[in-house]
Amino acid sequence: NAGVMQNPRHLVRRRGQEARLRCSPMKGHSHVYWYRQLPEEGLKFMVYLQKENIIDESGMPKERFSAEFPKEGPSILRIQQVVRGDSAAYFCASSPTGSGDGQPQHFGDGTRLSIL
Amino acid sequence: DQQVKQNSPSLSVQEGRISILNCDYTNSMFDYFLWYKKYPAEGPTFLISISSIKDKNEDGRFTVFLNKSAKHLSLHIVPSQPGDSAVYFCAASGPSNTGKLIFGQGTTLQVKP
Repeated sequence: NAGVMQNPRHLVRRRGQEARLRCSPMKGHSHVYWYRQLPEEGLKFMVYLQKENIIDESGMPKERFSAEFPKEGPSILRIQQVVRGDSAAYFCASSPTGSGDGQPQHFGDGTRLSIL
Repeated sequence: DQQVKQNSPSLSVQEGRISILNCDYTNSMFDYFLWYKKYPAEGPTFLISISSIKDKNEDGRFTVFLNKSAKHLSLHIVPSQPGDSAVYFCAASGPSNTGKLIFGQGTTLQVKP
């Protein structure tokens, strides 16, 4: 399966710990997007990255959240000092070009983050 | 500020009949509209899209209609099948050079055998 791979699928953290979510895009895709879905809601955009660059982080909370997409390896969404409100499903998507040209984004199966 | 809205949380139809899912938007600068289907514990799967310069796009059992003056689009599934039961999300992208998709809240479709 050459789809978008996210790991772990489930992650449990205690309040104050750090959460690291990983995403490997589809082969040949250099554009990565992170979304968050709270229960009973749609997906909310967080950040858009290309290799080694953050293109748009307008959906990222100002504190505790960061994202990277290094030259080698997966994209990482990092949440420091997690709080109960961070509990959600986090989805990563990738596309071969920027979605401004109508190319669909392809999604992974998400990481379900639970904060105790 | 909900720029993309799906006002029907759920829809139930009989197998073989038509399913019509609706979506409204507020930003006239959107370039593309996309529909995704999502099963529980899985990621959204792309179904079909339409450019803002078109009013219809068809792919097999799926047709999307766009009414720009009303800022409204709809997804028609005909004939509906039990395997179509899922949550359907409408999403919008643009204006150009922005990468993000803006999603509606989703509509849960149940197709009864």
